Amino acid sequence: DAKTTQPNSMESNEEEPVHLPCNHSTISGTDYIHWYRQLPSQGPEYVIHGLTSNVNNRMASLAIAEDRKSSTLILHRATLRDAAVYYCILRDASNFGNEKLTFGTGTRLTIIP
Amino acid sequence: DAGVIQSPRHEVTEMGQEVTLRCKPISGHNSLFWYRQTMMRGLELLIYFNNNVPIDDSGMPEDRFSAKMPNASFSTLKIQPSEPRDSAVYFCASRGDVYSYEQYFGPGTRLTVT
Repeated sequence: DAKTTQPNSMESNEEEPVHLPCNHSTISGTDYIHWYRQLPSQGPEYVIHGLTSNVNNRMASLAIAEDRKSSTLILHRATLRDAAVYYCILRDASNFGNEKLTFGTGTRLTIIP
Repeated sequence: DAGVIQSPRHEVTEMGQEVTLRCKPISGHNSLFWYRQTMMRGLELLIYFNNNVPIDDSGMPEDRFSAKMPNASFSTLKIQPSEPRDSAVYFCASRGDVYSYEQYFGPGTRLTVT
């Protein structure tokens, strides 16, 4: 499975944008990039996903490099509630219906009031 | 929508005892996943089902672990006999259909085996 590399931890000030990087230099053409986050004492929750183009939803934006070897999750205005571990995951879509998500260690995001 | 429901939320048992964890997926969802999370190993996929059929159980650690999904609204993960190294948080997640990408996780069951 193609792997991802994320910083172990990051800090950001409340109400400022946050850019969470993810490197995936061995990504294949059929790998989707998924982001999940896990708030303290909760199960993970889906944030966003993409293949080649940048994506926006109500929670965040996903910027994907042109060569797809890296991506960045953007939280436009961080709140204290965004403090969580953020996971960048590659999902191989070459096998239709492939469901497996392999979670790495993620980035622990701390928001400073 | 109640979301994914797991029970119990906490379980403390002695080594050698049988443990059964339960999960009710979101109504209408076709896929169900069992994960385990520990400090040492992080979040690991144990097994997943599509339309009640086990598809991939390669993450199940050993024969002491078994999972069933007798119908679309219920699944169990059983550990028999339990060991202290099984202590972890066990999450259940469900997903709509093969065209949806989002897995919805339950609150987890924290298992402690003494």
